[in-house]
Amino acid sequence: EVQLVQSGAEVKKPGESLRISCKGSGYSFSHHWIGWVRQMPGKGLEWMGLIYPGDSDTKYNPAFQGQVTISADKSLNTAYLQWSSLEASDTALYYCARLLDSSSVGAIWGQGTLVTVS
Amino acid sequence: EAVMTQSPGTLSVSPGERATLSCRASQSVINKLAWYQQKSGQPPRLLVYGATTRAAGVPARFSGSGSGTDFALTISSLQSEDFAVYYCQQYNYWPTFGQGTKVEIK
Repeated sequence: EVQLVQSGAEVKKPGESLRISCKGSGYSFSHHWIGWVRQMPGKGLEWMGLIYPGDSDTKYNPAFQGQVTISADKSLNTAYLQWSSLEASDTALYYCARLLDSSSVGAIWGQGTLVTVS
Repeated sequence: EAVMTQSPGTLSVSPGERATLSCRASQSVINKLAWYQQKSGQPPRLLVYGATTRAAGVPARFSGSGSGTDFALTISSLQSEDFAVYYCQQYNYWPTFGQGTKVEIK
């Protein structure tokens, strides 16, 4: 079964750093783009960035460029989303998604990681 | 950036009825349009991509139409499990979602 399993909920203070993860299984992790999506409380969905684990080619939404870092370790079949200094406005649910072919369509989704900054 | 606008914001429908959700792009996205369903406490689920192609395992009562700037998702006969929030997303440019349409029980 193809699935993405994300790390658990986090509660952090402003200014702290954080890295959350997304582990893929049941498919060739290196050969499919992974995207990260933010959903703020009670709000809609925003693509933050995309990464191709095979060569770590990364693309960022300009709104998130410099605010977060997306990386991947293909040996661990895991993608990461990290912050160096969290703000209260980073409080949100974060999803990873495996993209459909080479298009920016989320075909398979992780269960989400809730990040609370307070 | 292509801004996606969905209408209506909320759609009240009785089970068994037909529902049509609209999505408009601020500029042409050709057919690079996907639809997702999101239920409370769950991640989004891909329903349609390429404007008209149903994703694997999606029931035939869901159908997508449109091209250019105007798109629609039609649910031919609403089932209880279809009450949810639906998002459109273009991927001709940097991917952007609409704000969502909530389909609720009338």
